[in-house]
Amino acid sequence: AQRVTQPEKLLSVFKGAPVELKCNYSYSGSPELFWYVQYSRQRLQLLLRHISRESIKGFTADLNKGETSFHLKKPFAQEEDSAMYYCALKRGSNYKLTFGKGTLLTVNP
Amino acid sequence: ETGVTQSPTHLIKTRGQQVTLRCSSQSGHNTVSWYQQALGQGPQFIFQYYREEENGRGNFPPRFSGLQFPNYSSELNVNALELDDSALYLCASSRGGQGNEKLFFGSGTQLSVL
Repeated sequence: AQRVTQPEKLLSVFKGAPVELKCNYSYSGSPELFWYVQYSRQRLQLLLRHISRESIKGFTADLNKGETSFHLKKPFAQEEDSAMYYCALKRGSNYKLTFGKGTLLTVNP
Repeated sequence: ETGVTQSPTHLIKTRGQQVTLRCSSQSGHNTVSWYQQALGQGPQFIFQYYREEENGRGNFPPRFSGLQFPNYSSELNVNALELDDSALYLCASSRGGQGNEKLFFGSGTQLSVL
């Protein structure tokens, strides 16, 4: 069965510091990985997906199949990045997303 | 463009009762997925509907059932409610049904079972 692990429930950094939110997955095939974000009083929304190889709001994430990881990184955190971040996995053409438990990021001034 | 809307926003029921949650998909979307999010957990897939047919199901018992209507809106029905059914229920719509499309989430229905 596929599984997504986000080892940090809470992460606190200062503005301007680098930030890395960890995500590890277990799946033997070729997964598709996503990061979803939920800002305060807003709905869950897609931040980025690995197949797009894009940078959104300064965030990037690289799929490392050897380490089965998809860590989310930003070199200089901003206060507006404070939010709940969920890593999610979809396998092949399967419709189902498997989410991690989430990491609450707080960026302090 | 109208986003995904869910109703009601909050609901309190007692154990053994039945509940119906509603979701209107985003304009142009024909696929609706339902997720359950317990406190402190990530969303967990319940099932998906594509063009009025169930298109896949997660590990939920048969007392969780759904419908999708010709206008692509959807209902989630839960029978014989249990205390553990207390959670935030999220609806997400998308265009397609092949699993490659982007999901747009609603704000959720917070269900409390007493």
